[in-house]
Amino acid sequence: GAVVSQHPSWVICKSGTSVKIECRSLDFQATTMFWYRQFPKQSLMLMATSNEGSKATYEQGVEKDKFLINHASLTLSTLTVTSAHPEDSSFYICSARVSDRGQHFGDGTRLSIL
Amino acid sequence: QKEVEQNSGPLSVPEGAIASLNCTYSDRGSQSFFWYRQYSGKSPELIMSIYSNGDKEDGRFTAQLNKASQYVSLLIRDSQPSDSATYLCAVNAANFGNEKLTFGTGTRLTIIP
Repeated sequence: GAVVSQHPSWVICKSGTSVKIECRSLDFQATTMFWYRQFPKQSLMLMATSNEGSKATYEQGVEKDKFLINHASLTLSTLTVTSAHPEDSSFYICSARVSDRGQHFGDGTRLSIL
Repeated sequence: QKEVEQNSGPLSVPEGAIASLNCTYSDRGSQSFFWYRQYSGKSPELIMSIYSNGDKEDGRFTAQLNKASQYVSLLIRDSQPSDSATYLCAVNAANFGNEKLTFGTGTRLTIIP
C-alpha cells in the first residue's frame, strides 16, 4: 500500500535552533501534502497544505515565517520550524492524499525544544 | 459548534463485544468520511472510508453513514485488546478539489480482556 515516510522521528534541540522535517511519498506522487500538529491528548490541527511547485496554504493563526514549507518535488515536502522555542514542542505529522481520497500519514516527528 | 464532534470517552468494551463509535458533523455538504485509528504516541492509520449513505463493511469494521442526520459511525465486531486506541472521525469539506480534512477530537476506546 501507499507509504508516507517522515524523518526524523524524534528531535531534541536547544531553544533558537531551526529544525527541518522531511515528508516523502515512497511509491506514489503527491501533488498535495498536509502538515499537522498534535499536542498531548488533543486532536490533529492542520497547519498548512503543501502544494508541489507553489506556495503553501497556511491555516489561520499559523505563522508562515516561522513554519517554512517547501514542496519542490512530487515526492518530498519539508517543514522547517525556525528559531524554535519550547512552546513549539509538539508532535508534527505529515500526510498525503492517495487515490482513495483518504489521507495517509507519516509516522510523525516528536519535537522537544529545551 | 464544533465542525466534527465525537464523544471523547473513554469507552470501555469487553473483549469479544461490539464497540460502537459515533461522530456528527455540521457541514451538510460534506462528501467524504473517514475513520482513523491512533495508538498512543503514533500517527493516525486509515481504517475505513465511506462516501454514500448506508453501511460499508471491511472485516470486523463497519462504517455507517446517514447524511440526512449528519451522522457517521464505526462498529467494531469481536473487539480485541489490540483495538484499544483513539479513533478519529474525519470529514472532507464540501468543495470539490478541497482535500482538507477536519478531524474530531477522537474517542478513546479500551477493550477489556
